[in-house]
Amino acid sequence: EADIYQTPRYLVIGTGKKITLECSQTMGHDKMYWYQQDPGMELHLIHYSYGVNSTEKGDLSSESTVSRIRTEHFPLTLESARPSHTSQYLCASIAKEDSGNTIYFGEGSWLTVV
Amino acid sequence: KNQVEQSPQSLIILEGKNCTLQCNYTVSPFSNLRWYKQDTGRGPVSLTIMTFSENTKSNRRYTATLDADTKQSSLHITASQLSDSASYICVVSDRGSTLGRLYFGRGTQLTVWP
Repeated sequence: EADIYQTPRYLVIGTGKKITLECSQTMGHDKMYWYQQDPGMELHLIHYSYGVNSTEKGDLSSESTVSRIRTEHFPLTLESARPSHTSQYLCASIAKEDSGNTIYFGEGSWLTVV
Repeated sequence: KNQVEQSPQSLIILEGKNCTLQCNYTVSPFSNLRWYKQDTGRGPVSLTIMTFSENTKSNRRYTATLDADTKQSSLHITASQLSDSASYICVVSDRGSTLGRLYFGRGTQLTVWP
């Protein structure tokens, strides 16, 4: 069973609010990812990290930011939420040596901006 | 452009029947291919991981095949159960970057009817 956790699972917030989605893993993985997934669509990479103090933007343009101060923690922040940010956000991690290791996903955070 | 195409987009079968899902990819250089199961509203869960040299791999009622020459993979589900209803996602990893970039298909939505 994966030891990667996301909070909150579900959230409804108003336009313009600031929100942080939390992601934590206890497996000691260096690589962590944030994906955005709309219903019935593929996952789109929005941020990733190689390790502490390493963060990069992914393929999908996003107005969110991330930080990686500790190995186990990779929070995603939206400074000013908009209805277009309504989506499911999935956090994932993998061991550093990717020789066919499993990618572990969190349960996802469903965000609705009204 | 690296792509992962899955077919069919959706599939309905009766409980107890078998089915096969397809994944074609153009990702190069190829590293490995993963099949994931994603229940509605949940994060994806790993089913199999296949590297370049593996042709077939089984996990309980799931059997994945890989033909690296034609860049095709299939996931065969035997004796389907109601709990198999989910989206099945093909994920291909390249080895052309330090990240081990992941490419996601849109998934096949499988529905098993009693």
